[in-house]
Amino acid sequence: AQSVTQLGSHVSVSEGALVLLRCNYSSSVPPYLFWYVQYPNQGLQLLLKYTTGATLVKGINGFEAEFKKSETSFHLTKPSAHMSDAAEYFCAVSEKDQFYFGTGTSLTVIP
Amino acid sequence: NAGVMQNPRHLVRRRGQEARLRCSPMKGHSHVYWYRQLPEEGLKFMVYLQKENIIDESGMPKERFSAEFPKEGPSILRIQQVVRGDSAAYFCASSFGPTGETEAFFGQGTRLTVV
Repeated sequence: AQSVTQLGSHVSVSEGALVLLRCNYSSSVPPYLFWYVQYPNQGLQLLLKYTTGATLVKGINGFEAEFKKSETSFHLTKPSAHMSDAAEYFCAVSEKDQFYFGTGTSLTVIP
Repeated sequence: NAGVMQNPRHLVRRRGQEARLRCSPMKGHSHVYWYRQLPEEGLKFMVYLQKENIIDESGMPKERFSAEFPKEGPSILRIQQVVRGDSAAYFCASSFGPTGETEAFFGQGTRLTVV
């Protein structure tokens, strides 16, 4: 079975600073990788996904992630944090018709 | 095209009662997934269904929990004789095809509180 590890359950950044949320996965085959965002009392919204092709994936709201096979990582970044980015972020791997989610990283943006 | 609709959004049940959670997938989607989110934890897969079939229920507790996705109507997650530990947010997702490259769309969840 897959496992997804998100380092840092809570991350705080200043408004305008770089956002870096880490995700590592375990897989012996090329996976499908996703980042979802969850705002308070809401469902999950897809930020971006990697399936095949270019390893740098751009998503909504200025976020992007890079698939690094050698490091089994799919870290999420945004050059400049905005107050509206405060939310819970989940990394997920899809395999055999299941999503395997990490435990999430709560992002706080400090004015 | 409405998104994935879950109802109720909030559900309160006393210990021992039954909880029924409903999920209407997006139009054209025939694959439904249920996940549970416990406080301070990530989402845990429970069950994957297609119309009238349970494809994978490896994440379902062995007792008290059941799920169905009938030919007509929403998917139902049923929890019998609820206990305090069942208190959680339950999310439904749907997709056009099996997950993989296909994106799954999530509903807003049902927050179950057992008192």
